[in-house]
Amino acid sequence: SQELEQSPQSLIVQEGKNLTINCTSSKTLYGLYWYKQKYGEGLIFLMMLQKGGEEKSHEKITAKLDEKKQQSSLHITASQPSHAGIYLCGATAVSNYQLIWGAGTKLIIKP
Amino acid sequence: KAGVTQTPRYLIKTRGQQVTLSCSPISGHRSVSWYQQTPGQGLQFLFEYFSETQRNKGNFPGRFSGRQFSNSRSEMNVSTLELGDSALYLCASSFDPRTSNNEQFFGPGTRLTVL
Repeated sequence: SQELEQSPQSLIVQEGKNLTINCTSSKTLYGLYWYKQKYGEGLIFLMMLQKGGEEKSHEKITAKLDEKKQQSSLHITASQPSHAGIYLCGATAVSNYQLIWGAGTKLIIKP
Repeated sequence: KAGVTQTPRYLIKTRGQQVTLSCSPISGHRSVSWYQQTPGQGLQFLFEYFSETQRNKGNFPGRFSGRQFSNSRSEMNVSTLELGDSALYLCASSFDPRTSNNEQFFGPGTRLTVL
């Protein structure tokens, strides 16, 4: 079955620094989603990528999907305390269109 | 436009009891998916309902069931609760996951604690 590997599991970053979170699959991804979650709350949609090589940005967050559509990265520039939380990647399993999820990356921003 | 709402937000039950959780999707959304989230297992898919029919089901025992009403509101039920059922239960709505650009919108979750 298709699985998503997220790395790192957790990340502590000094405020103002850049960081990258990765999401990797052994199979081709169809519809890669990035979400952010504050502890104990629902998920907030960040971005969706579909095409190989696609890149999207929103404020200081940029997400990319590689040409083979097997890896995505989420890059945060000049991190702020508001970026702290858990970042999850999800991808569509074409066979049943169900979303499968990575385990999440916990991001802590040190002031 | 109102977001996805879930009730109740918090619930404490004892082993052996049953519980019903409710989810109201965004107006116009016909698909509702349910997830269980625990620190150890992460986000696990329970089931998806579309137009009152269960379309997909995850690998959970039969104690976990759900339904969807004609207004797209959905409920999930867990019978004979076990300690391991303690989790954050999230529901998400979308127009139809089988179409492209169809992100899911999540509710705030119901935190279930089983004692």
